[in-house]
Amino acid sequence: EAGVAQSPRYKIIEKRQSVAFWCNPISGHATLYWYQQILGQGPKLLIQFQNNGVVDDSQLPKDRFSAERLKGVDSTLKIQPAKLEDSAVYLCASSLESLGGTQYFGPGTRLLVL
Amino acid sequence: RKEVEQDPGPFNVPEGATVAFNCTYSNSASQSFFWYRQDCRKEPKLLMSVYSSGNEDGRFTAQLNRASQYISLLIRDSKLSDSATYLCVVNGRGSYIPTFGRGTSLIVHP
Repeated sequence: EAGVAQSPRYKIIEKRQSVAFWCNPISGHATLYWYQQILGQGPKLLIQFQNNGVVDDSQLPKDRFSAERLKGVDSTLKIQPAKLEDSAVYLCASSLESLGGTQYFGPGTRLLVL
Repeated sequence: RKEVEQDPGPFNVPEGATVAFNCTYSNSASQSFFWYRQDCRKEPKLLMSVYSSGNEDGRFTAQLNRASQYISLLIRDSKLSDSATYLCVVNGRGSYIPTFGRGTSLIVHP
């Protein structure tokens, strides 16, 4: 079974630029999560989708971050404009269960904002 | 009080030792609990779910104490390969929204 795919794996941008990350979850997984993980900290949930609806986005900085999940499959996370403090690993995860199930993570995208 | 708290460590133990980590949570309505393992520069991977009755998988034992609102992970006969960060996850804020702890670092030395 293919795992969660993410791209790009690494990205370096300058502050105030825009960046987008892509995630393809495991086939059939209804729930998709985007996390931000800063070095030395645990993953922080940014947004959770169930199919193509948003379950929770309370910790998403909506003035600069946006995410969508078209057709309930792939998802993109965008940052515009980026700030230095956005430097982190952005992890995508998916879950077969609708609520509270085991999450399978992609390899993440390492973002460095200069 | 943070929603989910873990001692970041590091816990530095010799091979063969037994080590235990705790993770406290603040939401008494939390419904499901997990331990994930994260190796350096890798993604988190599920280690085990935590059931109300406690559960064991080889050298690993997870327990839930609802009264005191914490989960625990016990590792017996530590191996060098157990060196990693152990993340607890609590689902319960709103509709099973997952919250991760900051992780506990374990270093097993020869």
